[in-house]
Amino acid sequence: QVQLQESGPGLVKPSETLSLSCTVSGGSVSNYYWSWIRQPPGKGLEWIGYIYYSGSTNFNPSLKSRVTISVDTSKNQFSLRLSSVTAADTAVYYCARDPGPYCSGDCYSDIWGQGTGVTVSS
Amino acid sequence: IQLTQSPSSLSASVGDRVTITCRASQGISSYLAWYQQKPGKAPKLLIYAASTLQSGVPSRFSGSGSGTDFTLTISSLQPEDFATYHCQQLNSYPLTFGGGTKVEIK
Repeated sequence: QVQLQESGPGLVKPSETLSLSCTVSGGSVSNYYWSWIRQPPGKGLEWIGYIYYSGSTNFNPSLKSRVTISVDTSKNQFSLRLSSVTAADTAVYYCARDPGPYCSGDCYSDIWGQGTGVTVSS
Repeated sequence: IQLTQSPSSLSASVGDRVTITCRASQGISSYLAWYQQKPGKAPKLLIYAASTLQSGVPSRFSGSGSGTDFTLTISSLQPEDFATYHCQQLNSYPLTFGGGTKVEIK
């Protein structure tokens, strides 16, 4: 079955750029929407944005100015970059399969990575 | 769209019937999902389309509602059900989640 695995640095300095990748195994990135979701310590979940395998994207307006999501179909991966990070960006970051904007009725995120913790600190 | 879950936490015993509510700030039809999250783990999909049980999820879990008011019910709480539960609206982007409800052992 399809599995997702996040990877990237666990520590990022303030004002720098957070970079994470998500590798898709057991399936292909093609023909699906993929998202990043984060969860600050002790808090709820926040949807960051999605990318379609073709490269089209949609971001949470709260983060839009700082977020880039890209996809590499040859590596079966998609990636997140979050610029100008602060302590407020400290969180567990999850990659997940996104339902996409054209789902009808049966909309959900059924596949999630295990999550990777990122701390923003000098 | 803001989702308000209540309660934020509850204490219950094995065998209890547990009900968690999720209220949307505007109508979302039936575009609501429920997830279970255990410490250190990713959320797990329980219910989608407000009331459809995901494959493999025990039948003691059920969901109901449409429009702005939704409910997750666990008919007889089991030891493995102690976790945090999140609702998510999928009616429009940006997708949003409720604040979570932590179900603890009494």
